[in-house]
Amino acid sequence: DGGITQSPKYLFRKEGQNVTLSCEQNLNHDAMYWYRQDPGQGLRLIYYSQIVNDFQKGDIAEGYSVSREKKESFPLTVTSAQKNPTAFYLCASSMYRGKSSYNSPLHFGNGTRLTVT
Amino acid sequence: QQQVKQSPQSLIVQKGGISIINCAYENTAFDYFPWYQQFPGKGPALLIAIRPDVSEKKEGRFTISFNKSAKQFSLHIMDSQPGDSATYFCAASRKAGNMLTFGGGTRLMVKP
Repeated sequence: DGGITQSPKYLFRKEGQNVTLSCEQNLNHDAMYWYRQDPGQGLRLIYYSQIVNDFQKGDIAEGYSVSREKKESFPLTVTSAQKNPTAFYLCASSMYRGKSSYNSPLHFGNGTRLTVT
Repeated sequence: QQQVKQSPQSLIVQKGGISIINCAYENTAFDYFPWYQQFPGKGPALLIAIRPDVSEKKEGRFTISFNKSAKQFSLHIMDSQPGDSATYFCAASRKAGNMLTFGGGTRLMVKP
């Protein structure tokens, strides 16, 4: 069964600690994305990667870092520099068809709710 | 700055009624407009999408209406059911950029 797996579902951390959120997909998608969801603010793009070993900053990349060493995996690290890290984090993937074409629809994981106290 | 503005933030509809959610965009380069549906504790899932060469697209009880001159598009849910209770996001992108810009979301509650 193809899909995106995010783990853990709930994560609690103390302020000042870095934390890494896992995202794995078996859809053979080229592109992967991290979004942050806050009430009333929709989904905001943190980072995205269209191919392995390459990634780009989204709209709110400050305080976050990513890696893309494997096609299937796109972990997100929330660093201590992120001022308001408590949020619901969503990973997504899609087929990347190049800049002259539409990507396939985004497939989302079920999210990780991070609480930092 | 690319923006998509969505309204209302929350909506309560009686079972069998019509739910209407509106979105407005600024960037005239946008040419793909999807709607995503999200249930509590889950990730969003694509519901229906439209491109600006048509003014309306219907899939079952869900219809997107698109007004290119007004830079607005809306989602209509006919015969709304309690199972439609979810958060709905509109979004927009342009082919060249491929990144979706999302609206702020609408939390829909359908009362039995």
